[in-house]
Amino acid sequence: GNSVTQMEGPVTLSEEAFLTINCTYTATGYPSLFWYVQYPGEGLQLLLKATKADDKGSNKGFEATYRKETTSFHLEKGSVQVSDSAVYFCALSRSGGYNKLIFGAGTRLAVHP
Amino acid sequence: GAGVSQSPRYKVAKRGQDVALRCDPISGHVSLFWYQQALGQGPEFLTYFQNEAQLDKSGLPSDRFFAERPEGSVSTLKIQRTQQEDSAVYLCASRDSEETQYFGPGTRLLVL
Repeated sequence: GNSVTQMEGPVTLSEEAFLTINCTYTATGYPSLFWYVQYPGEGLQLLLKATKADDKGSNKGFEATYRKETTSFHLEKGSVQVSDSAVYFCALSRSGGYNKLIFGAGTRLAVHP
Repeated sequence: GAGVSQSPRYKVAKRGQDVALRCDPISGHVSLFWYQQALGQGPEFLTYFQNEAQLDKSGLPSDRFFAERPEGSVSTLKIQRTQQEDSAVYLCASRDSEETQYFGPGTRLLVL
């Protein structure tokens, strides 16, 4: 079946460090891929998405590239800030149909000054 | 504009009590989803509505869970005879035409 695996947290970084959160998926067909972020005390927010192979999603300095050959969608940011501290969820939705989301377990990021 | 809203934000129930959780989606969004998020886990799909039609309820964990959306806008998730394992955050999302799902803040349910 369809599934998402992401690296376990917590990830602890100093401000301005480089961030990578790994995400790999298993799916039939050509799913759409998403990164959602959950800030403390807030709901899930879409961070970025990619709908086909080799697409790059980007937002707020974060990037992720849809790699079909490695079934991956790793999240990167060149210089993290304290305000990036949150839980990050990788997710997929199957192509066609009504597109329910299948989430990974989430990765907690803590950035300290 | 207004986002997805959910109420109550927190609910404490005694085991065996019935609860009802409300979701107000973004106006005009046809598609509505419910998810359950256990502590430390990602959200898991419960059910899907297209307008008032419940097209998929495959994720509902038992027949104690029931969802409705009678007029194609507001939705209610009802849990009968709550059990401790029902403790979780219940998330509602509505979807736009670009496949993006917008989530509400969730209802945190604690069953004692």
